[in-house]
Amino acid sequence: KAGVTQTPRYLIKTRGQQVTLSCSPISGHRSVSWYQQTPGQGLQFLFEYFSETQRNKGNFPGRFSGRQFSNSRSEMNVSTLELGDSALYLCASSLSDSETQYFGPGTRLTVL
Amino acid sequence: AQSVAQPEDQVNVAEGNPLTVKCTYSVSGNPYLFWYVQYPNRGLQFLLKYITGDNLVKGSYGFEAEFNKSQTSFHLKKPSALVSDSALYFCAVRDMLRGAAGNKLTFGGGTRVLVKP
Repeated sequence: KAGVTQTPRYLIKTRGQQVTLSCSPISGHRSVSWYQQTPGQGLQFLFEYFSETQRNKGNFPGRFSGRQFSNSRSEMNVSTLELGDSALYLCASSLSDSETQYFGPGTRLTVL
Repeated sequence: AQSVAQPEDQVNVAEGNPLTVKCTYSVSGNPYLFWYVQYPNRGLQFLLKYITGDNLVKGSYGFEAEFNKSQTSFHLKKPSALVSDSALYFCAVRDMLRGAAGNKLTFGGGTRVLVKP
């Protein structure tokens, strides 16, 4: 079974731009979660989607948004990029609440 | 609210010696506990989890972890470390408080393990 895939793997943007990151979960997984990883703040939960509905949201500004499609693929969008948004963005998928989350390789976003 | 603490930023161990990475947690309900490992420029790789049952959990690559409810700890262990075990290790918790939906994991700050030949 193919693992979680994320595209693109690397992105360079400038302040004020917006960006869209994509995540394809493991086949059959309906839960997709997003996390931000930075050296200063560590791993922080962004949001989680299940069957196209957002179930949980972390403490991030409204510039961070996401959605999930009927095939469970998910996208996250960051508008009006700031330097502090530079991070590794990780997507994880799982079958259900109590199941293990499996992570993709991440998208490394650099904001200049 | 749920939280995880990994008190050591870095653990150094000689190859062949036992390896222990510490983790303590705080939840309101019952905890689901996980260990992940991250190699440079990679995502997180699942090692093992505790949901219920035996307090000693065995996982991938010879790793195991011991759940201790009274001490709210979930330390990761490996009897004989390899140089290839050098990586960043994360402990995570999911609070299974009744009525809480969703799949949010809260991670510790990570512990860098360096295994020297």
